[in-house]
Amino acid sequence: GENVEQHPSTLSVQEGDSAVIKCTYSDSASNYFPWYKQELGKGPQLIIDIRSNVGEKKDQRIAVTLNKTAKHFSLHITETQPEDSAVYFCAATAYGQNFVFGPGTRLSVLP
Amino acid sequence: DTAVSQTPKYLVTQMGNDKSIKCEQNLGHDTMYWYKQDSKKFLKIMFSYNNKELIINETVPNRFSPKSPDKAHLNLHINSLELGDSAVYFCASSQVDPYEQYFGPGTRLTVT
Repeated sequence: GENVEQHPSTLSVQEGDSAVIKCTYSDSASNYFPWYKQELGKGPQLIIDIRSNVGEKKDQRIAVTLNKTAKHFSLHITETQPEDSAVYFCAATAYGQNFVFGPGTRLSVLP
Repeated sequence: DTAVSQTPKYLVTQMGNDKSIKCEQNLGHDTMYWYKQDSKKFLKIMFSYNNKELIINETVPNRFSPKSPDKAHLNLHINSLELGDSAVYFCASSQVDPYEQYFGPGTRLTVT
């Protein structure tokens, strides 16, 4: 089955700096890779996603890159703000059937 | 106009009891899920239903029984609760394609 690893487990950055979180997956059949942001006491919220036929996707300050050959994908947040502080999860799935999540990254943006 | 809702938000109960968590989505999605998030924040899928049919049943004890009366609802019933069942349980839904998944606010279950 699919296995998703995520690094780092914790990340602290200064406000305005960039943050990068990396994930690797094992199942070459996986074709959809979402990223979720979870704030304290809330459910995970989808922030960006990418399909296997795309190498990069951007939405304002956040971007995701995918390297299918190496089976890894990354989340990039630029110009970080205190409200970006949260736990971020990557996930992988083949056709939306079974979502396998990474263990999460706790991002702290220091003012 | 909440997209995915769960009740209750908090559930405190004693070992051995039976409890249920309800989930409803108003997004018109065909697929619904239950996830368990443990104390280390690890999210693991438990069940997946598509149009009221069970699609995924991970290695979950048979004390957990999902029920989908219609495609907008997926309830989770837990028998003979154990201390290790304490966690936050999330319901989620998605379309078959695109696969964007939306989560409910979670139910924090505490078994004493």
